[in-house]
Amino acid sequence: EAQVTQNPRYLITVTGKKLTVTCSQNMNHEYMSWYRQDPGLGLRQIYYSMNVEVTDKGDVPEGYKVSRKEKRNFPLILESPSPNQTSLYFCASSKTGARQPQHFGDGTRLSIL
Amino acid sequence: GIQVEQSPPDLILQEGANSTLRCNFSDSVNNLQWFHQNPWGQLINLFYIPSGTKQNGRLSATTVATERYSLLYISSSQTTDSGVYFCAVSYTGTASKLTFGTGTRLQVTL
Repeated sequence: EAQVTQNPRYLITVTGKKLTVTCSQNMNHEYMSWYRQDPGLGLRQIYYSMNVEVTDKGDVPEGYKVSRKEKRNFPLILESPSPNQTSLYFCASSKTGARQPQHFGDGTRLSIL
Repeated sequence: GIQVEQSPPDLILQEGANSTLRCNFSDSVNNLQWFHQNPWGQLINLFYIPSGTKQNGRLSATTVATERYSLLYISSSQTTDSGVYFCAVSYTGTASKLTFGTGTRLQVTL
């Protein structure tokens, strides 16, 4: 089954403790991206990757890192999480870019205390 | 940057009613997608519709790119249609960035 898998689905952690949210897709898609969703703000793009080893900032990259060492994986790294990063996070992928239909993971709800 | 506005922000319908959701965007786009976020938070791609009209069961969508808007029609609404509907666009000249509207929250009651 074609899918985008995020882990964990839920995480409660404390300020400053490094965490990684994994994202994996099995559709051989070149394009992957991360969004955060906050009440009243819709989804905002954090980072995106057009292909392996090619990543770039979206609208709200501060406090986040990403890497794209393999086509299927695109982890989101919070080196020193803060409470303002409490949010619902989504990973998405598509064949070649933002113009293509996007496939979303089920989301990761992060709470930073 | 490109602005994407959705209306209405909230909508309450009785089961069986029809509704129209609107998405306005401020610049030329090469892509428009409609998503439904169900009550469990999952985002489902409803339509990929940069222009023209598409239908899928009780849902249909129309995009008029030259006038910078798109409409999502829901007919004979059901309680399972409840959730938040988002439109998202990528503007002409980029293949990398998708900008979302703030959504329309729909509640369908019995």
